[in-house]
Amino acid sequence: EPEVTQTPSHQVTQMGQEVILRCVPISNHLYFYWYRQILGQKVEFLVSFYNNEISEKSEIFDDQFSVERPDGSNFTLKIRSTKLEDSAMYFCASSEGTTDEQYFGPGTRLTVT
Amino acid sequence: RKEVEQDPGPFNVPEGATVAFNCTYSNSASQSFFWYRQDCRKEPKLLMSVYSSGNEDGRFTAQLNRASQYISLLIRDSKLSDSATYLCVVIPRGAGNMLTFGGGTRLMVKP
Repeated sequence: EPEVTQTPSHQVTQMGQEVILRCVPISNHLYFYWYRQILGQKVEFLVSFYNNEISEKSEIFDDQFSVERPDGSNFTLKIRSTKLEDSAMYFCASSEGTTDEQYFGPGTRLTVT
Repeated sequence: RKEVEQDPGPFNVPEGATVAFNCTYSNSASQSFFWYRQDCRKEPKLLMSVYSSGNEDGRFTAQLNRASQYISLLIRDSKLSDSATYLCVVIPRGAGNMLTFGGGTRLMVKP
């Protein structure tokens, strides 16, 4: 069964450093998303991406964040200058487009020290 | 008022029991509804979409009540492997494909 993959599974970085989280969505899917979940809290939407541009973004997704689809398979989330409060699980998801159903990758645990 | 509200639980039930969870949502124009399950420190996994007419998948039945703005999930014949957090998820109208998650209801099925 096709699935979303994410790398790395765990990233530790120092405050102020840049990080890039990588995702490979399901191959025939057209819509891509990033969500985050701070430990003990609910899953929160960050951004959606379609046709090589951002289609929706939340208030969390400020100028420190950016997304890119650098090639036909990868979808990345960059955090330019990490803060302690960026520590969370970051989930990538994708959807086909014919339905609203989204499928999530296993997540990257980001720890900012 | 929270956009999607769930009783956090935990619901402790014996194997074989029937258990039901409810969820309420605040945006009356919400357009799509789902139940996901999440195991500890894992990704949300789609359990089922919820349709206006109600739908069933094996031991799981989901219902939508648009007038009262609530969604329910019924699990029959609970298994130990059903122990997880169940997430009620809504797409509000005008929000594109942005999933809005409830805080989840924790289920623990005991032998």
